[in-house]
Amino acid sequence: KQEVTQIPAALSVPEGENLVLNCSFTDSAIYNLQWFRQDPGKGLTSLLLIQSSQREQTSGRLNASLDKSSGRSTLYIAASQPGDSATYLCAASGGGADGLTFGKGTHLIIQP
Amino acid sequence: SQTIHQWPATLVQPVGSPLSLECTVEGTSNPNLYWYRQAAGRGLQLLFYSVGIGQISSEVPQNLSASRPQDRQFILSSKKLLLSDSGFYLCAWSGGNREYFGPGTRLLVL
Repeated sequence: KQEVTQIPAALSVPEGENLVLNCSFTDSAIYNLQWFRQDPGKGLTSLLLIQSSQREQTSGRLNASLDKSSGRSTLYIAASQPGDSATYLCAASGGGADGLTFGKGTHLIIQP
Repeated sequence: SQTIHQWPATLVQPVGSPLSLECTVEGTSNPNLYWYRQAAGRGLQLLFYSVGIGQISSEVPQNLSASRPQDRQFILSSKKLLLSDSGFYLCAWSGGNREYFGPGTRLLVL
């Protein structure tokens, strides 16, 4: 059974810093891996999706990488801003209809 | 474009009362539908998924049940709520290789 782990659980950094969030998964036979953002009390906003055949995806200041062989993905946030403060979740898909396996998230605070 | 609705947005219920949460999807047909729960201090957990009308698969044993009476309607129910049913319930749909999430229902059982 797939297990997803996110490190660190919480992170607080000054505005302007570049930062990396880590995600690891136990079963490398994934179909894709997705990074989400969740604001307090809100639903999920999809940030980036990496197919199993891809190595990375970029959107603005966000870059997500995927290394299937080592069971790892990272989310890189450049030039962090206070508006980036949120919980970031990664989720692995096995490709079937049986949903996503989520990590517990990294709670990120960007200090102004 | 596709839209996913959930209601109610917030619900406070006493222990032992029934529950019905509704999720509807617009702008797509024959989607896979999902119910997830996010409990305090825990990650998002898949509760149920459905690949078609009347077809429900359960991921974890629990006090809840799900039904899909129409193609784009997914309902989460309970006959008697427990304190442990409190949490944030998210519905999602998938038509291909990614899932799209609704705004969620926050349930507090007292």
